[in-house]
Amino acid sequence: NAGVTQTPKFQVLKTGQSMTLQCAQDMNHEYMSWYRQDPGMGLRLIHYSVGAGITDQGEVPNGYNVSRSTTEDFPLRLLSAAPSQTSVYFCASREDRTYNEQFFGPGTRLTVL
Amino acid sequence: AQKVTQAQTEISVVEKEDVTLDCVYETRDTTYYLFWYKQPPSGELVFLIRRNSFDEQNEISGRYSWNFQKSTSSFNFTITASQVVDSAVYFCALTNNAGKSTFGDGTTLTVKP
Repeated sequence: NAGVTQTPKFQVLKTGQSMTLQCAQDMNHEYMSWYRQDPGMGLRLIHYSVGAGITDQGEVPNGYNVSRSTTEDFPLRLLSAAPSQTSVYFCASREDRTYNEQFFGPGTRLTVL
Repeated sequence: AQKVTQAQTEISVVEKEDVTLDCVYETRDTTYYLFWYKQPPSGELVFLIRRNSFDEQNEISGRYSWNFQKSTSSFNFTITASQVVDSAVYFCALTNNAGKSTFGDGTTLTVKP
């Protein structure tokens, strides 16, 4: 099992550019989520999904879109990058909606100039 | 809205000292799930423990122990006889029944030799 994979590992964007952060898991987990981690602020939930075709907003959804067409994949789209979106982005998956622990990907370090 | 507070931003101890990391949470839900994760300097996030809101049994696992008290809305984590390898950022998190997770801002633990 590869677990949770994220691509790319590093990305530099210019303000206004768009891009998609990829996330995939091979554990057949129902639940997937995206977080951003800013220095000293812990992880903040951007969007999450409790199953294919179902997504919901987290704490900081503005400027980001998600879709879940398959169980395995959960891409995060930045519509028009802003410097405030400079952060480390983590994707996570969990076997079910609540009880089990989350498995995190290695993270994507995004810089928006 | 749910909230997790880790009041200790940074803690520094000398090897072999015991250290307790505090976590206080707020939620209106009667069913919820609490977690601790560790983020070593390498950056990955590692699951440590989980608890249901209806399971107040404390747990000991090797040098780690957890104290869950609903009366004070706390879920504290103690490391006994700390080691340099315990140096990391530790996150407390709460997940509600809808699957939405909230993390605290983390406590950076430095264990000096």
